[in-house]
Amino acid sequence: ELKVEQNPLFLSMQEGKNYTIYCNYSTTSDRLYWYRQDPGKSLESLFVLLSNGAVKQEGRLMASLDTKARLSTLHITAAVHDLSATYFCAVEATSGSRLTFGEGTQLTVNP
Amino acid sequence: DTGVSQDPRHKITKRGQNVTFRCDPISEHNRLYWYRQTLGQGPEFLTYFQNEAQLEKSRLLSDRFSAERPKGSFSTLEIQRTEQGDSAMYLCASSLAIGGGYGYTFGSGTRLTVV
Repeated sequence: ELKVEQNPLFLSMQEGKNYTIYCNYSTTSDRLYWYRQDPGKSLESLFVLLSNGAVKQEGRLMASLDTKARLSTLHITAAVHDLSATYFCAVEATSGSRLTFGEGTQLTVNP
Repeated sequence: DTGVSQDPRHKITKRGQNVTFRCDPISEHNRLYWYRQTLGQGPEFLTYFQNEAQLEKSRLLSDRFSAERPKGSFSTLEIQRTEQGDSAMYLCASSLAIGGGYGYTFGSGTRLTVV
């Protein structure tokens, strides 16, 4: 059974600082997704990583995938308050079947 | 296209009642997924369809839950004899299965409260 673990689960950081969220998964997969969720809202797609070594960047967020290590990272650069949300990684075991989500990382960016 | 639509947005029901939720996917997407999310957790997979065929069901989907996708368009998720443990956000997603490079689009969800 595919398991996805994120850490940290809670992250409080100051504006302007950098930090990384880690996502480990238990079985072979080369498809990993990152989502953002604001309280009471649905999931907003951030990144789709489809191969080993994939790196994508959007604004202050950068995601990477190492399929050999079964690890993805979401790096936050110079955090701002608007990034406060819960971030989920999700792994697709086989193409188009379904996603298995991590528990989420609740990020709070303080002024 | 306005994305994935779910109805209702909120539902409060008494324990033991039946409820039905609807999901309208993005029109050209042939795959449709249902997930359940409880407070403080990540979404958990329930079931998915390709066109009208239900291809996989999670062990989480007890016999009180049934999902349909007639004609491969919208889908309904019915919960019979609701229990307090069914209280959750029910999320629908759709995707285009073309062999790779596609993503999943989620709807706004239906929040169910069983009292």
